[in-house]
Amino acid sequence: EVQLVQSGAEVKKPGESLKISCKGSGYSFTSYWIGWVRQMPGKGLEWMGSIYPGDTDTRYSPSFQGQVTISADKSISTAYLQWSGLKATDSAIYYCARRYTNMGFFDYWGQGTLVTVSS
Amino acid sequence: EIVMTQSPATLSVSPGERAALSCRASQSVSSNLAWYQQKPGQAPRLLIYGASSRATGIPARFSGSGSGTELTLTISSLQSEDFAVYYCQQYNSWPYTFGQGTKLEIK
Repeated sequence: EVQLVQSGAEVKKPGESLKISCKGSGYSFTSYWIGWVRQMPGKGLEWMGSIYPGDTDTRYSPSFQGQVTISADKSISTAYLQWSGLKATDSAIYYCARRYTNMGFFDYWGQGTLVTVSS
Repeated sequence: EIVMTQSPATLSVSPGERAALSCRASQSVSSNLAWYQQKPGQAPRLLIYGASSRATGIPARFSGSGSGTELTLTISSLQSEDFAVYYCQQYNSWPYTFGQGTKLEIK
């Protein structure tokens, strides 16, 4: 069974750094792109970027380029999303999702990680 | 960047009736479009990919149609569990983009 299990909710202060994780199981982790999707409170879905764990090829949405870093450790089948200086506007639910083979839609999703940034 | 526009923002329909949700792209996405359902407190769930192919386990009452810039998700006979928010997503080109969502509510 394909599963993506994300790390737990985080509460941080503005300016702090954060790294959240997404662990894949039940499939070949290195053979599928993993994407990150943001959902701000009461809002829609925004694709942030994706990584191919097999060779760490990474693509970012222009809206998020330079704002976050996506990485992966294939030895533990885990993808990461990190910030070096959080802002209050980073408060959101972040989902990881597996991209289906060579097509760009997402067939399996993690449960989401709630990030709250507040002073 | 391809802008995806969904309409209406909210659709009120009675159980058993048919619902048609629209997704318009600012440029052609061919058939590279997916539809997702999201219920409160849950992650999105894939319904349709390739504009018209149902994902595994999705009931036949869900169907997708269209290509290019005008795409539609139709739910033929609404069940209580279908009331949710629906998003379209284009994957024809980077960056992938989602529509803003259509909330399907009980009339």
